[in-house]
Amino acid sequence: DQQVKQNSPSLSVQEGRISILNCDYTNSMFDYFLWYKKYPAEGPTFLISISSIKDKNEDGRFTVFLNKSAKHLSLHIVPSQPGDSAVYFCAASGISGGSNYKLTFGKGTLLTVNP
Amino acid sequence: DGGITQSPKYLFRKEGQNVTLSCEQNLNHDAMYWYRQDPGQGLRLIYYSQIVNDFQKGDIAEGYSVSREKKESFPLTVTSAQKNPTAFYLCASKVAGTGGGYTFGSGTRLTVV
Repeated sequence: DQQVKQNSPSLSVQEGRISILNCDYTNSMFDYFLWYKKYPAEGPTFLISISSIKDKNEDGRFTVFLNKSAKHLSLHIVPSQPGDSAVYFCAASGISGGSNYKLTFGKGTLLTVNP
Repeated sequence: DGGITQSPKYLFRKEGQNVTLSCEQNLNHDAMYWYRQDPGQGLRLIYYSQIVNDFQKGDIAEGYSVSREKKESFPLTVTSAQKNPTAFYLCASKVAGTGGGYTFGSGTRLTVV
């Protein structure tokens, strides 16, 4: 049972335009959400996070939006740059019997930003 | 510089052999994790440890074993019982008791030949 879903395996955008990556979750106990960026043969690097008490968090070109009622979050990158091309993972954690220590990841979305 | 180090970067194993992947961190993090990445599968949790001398199975622990004798180290052994061991293995750590994210190592690519 996949608790964190990234339904788009890939996304292609033009440089300078907005990239929107989507993520859905099913576990209502999740209360903290993160996005990681990963290049091939490297470990993921933390990008941005959001707590369930907020609906938006912004850091430079990156903004994460959380819609708790829909159990949906999205990552907006604007403007997109070729260096943003990577796999983006959505992850979630929650306070429930020790699960606060564990992150559950989606399958990732490959973003390609074309010059 | 604080960080998390995985070694080796690439590892080849013959079928039927056990192999141990190293993970060391100097971040003073209490919790450590092992994930496996396969194409199209995302990151799946193998084992995790919240404190020294204690660890729990993740979602895909069969065929793997771990130890946590020191806070800094969390080695993963891929045993001959693991049916499909070829994958990219990622180690991570975090401060215990927070909802924050992990710091990841750079990974080990294991190939069974």
